[in-house]
Amino acid sequence: EVQLVESGGGLVQPGRSLKLSCAASGFTFSNYYMAWVRQAPTKGLEWVAYISTGGGSTYYRDSVKGRFTISRDNAKSTLYLQMDSLRSEDTATYYCTTLRSWGQGVMVTVSS
Amino acid sequence: DIQMTQSPSFLSASVGDRVTINCKASQNINKYLDWYQQKLGEAPKLLIYNTNSLHTAIPSRFSGSGSGTDFTLTISSLQPEDVATYFCFQHNSGWTFGGGTKLELK
Repeated sequence: EVQLVESGGGLVQPGRSLKLSCAASGFTFSNYYMAWVRQAPTKGLEWVAYISTGGGSTYYRDSVKGRFTISRDNAKSTLYLQMDSLRSEDTATYYCTTLRSWGQGVMVTVSS
Repeated sequence: DIQMTQSPSFLSASVGDRVTINCKASQNINKYLDWYQQKLGEAPKLLIYNTNSLHTAIPSRFSGSGSGTDFTLTISSLQPEDVATYFCFQHNSGWTFGGGTKLELK
């Protein structure tokens, strides 16, 4: 059974950093592009970043470029999202996903 | 960037009704259009990929159609458990989600 388990969320002040992790199991992690998708409270889905199978190619939405870094450790079957210079508009539930399978999400709240 | 426009934003239907949700792309996305279902408080779930391929274990009452810029998700006979918000998603050129369609029971 495919499992994606996010961790690392929480309440953080504007301008600070947070690192999300996603532990994957039940499939060959290194064979899949992986992504982070977020959803602000009562809003729609918004892709944040995605990464190729080997990690050599990364893609970011404009609003997070230069602030967020997606990475992966295929040996540990783990996906990461380093979030720096956080803003109130980054407040959302962040999902780890292969697009076919999704984690349960982790909440990130940016507030003073 | 490709824009995805979903319609309607809100839909109220009765059990047994045939329901259609539309998604229009701002440019040709070939067949690269997926549909997701998100129930309240849950993560999204893939229903249909590449326009018309049913994902694993998805009931056959769900189907997808379209090509180019215009796509449709159809529920042939609405069931109570289908109450959810539905999102389209293009992955032909970059990635874009549609704004969502909230489906409720009448």
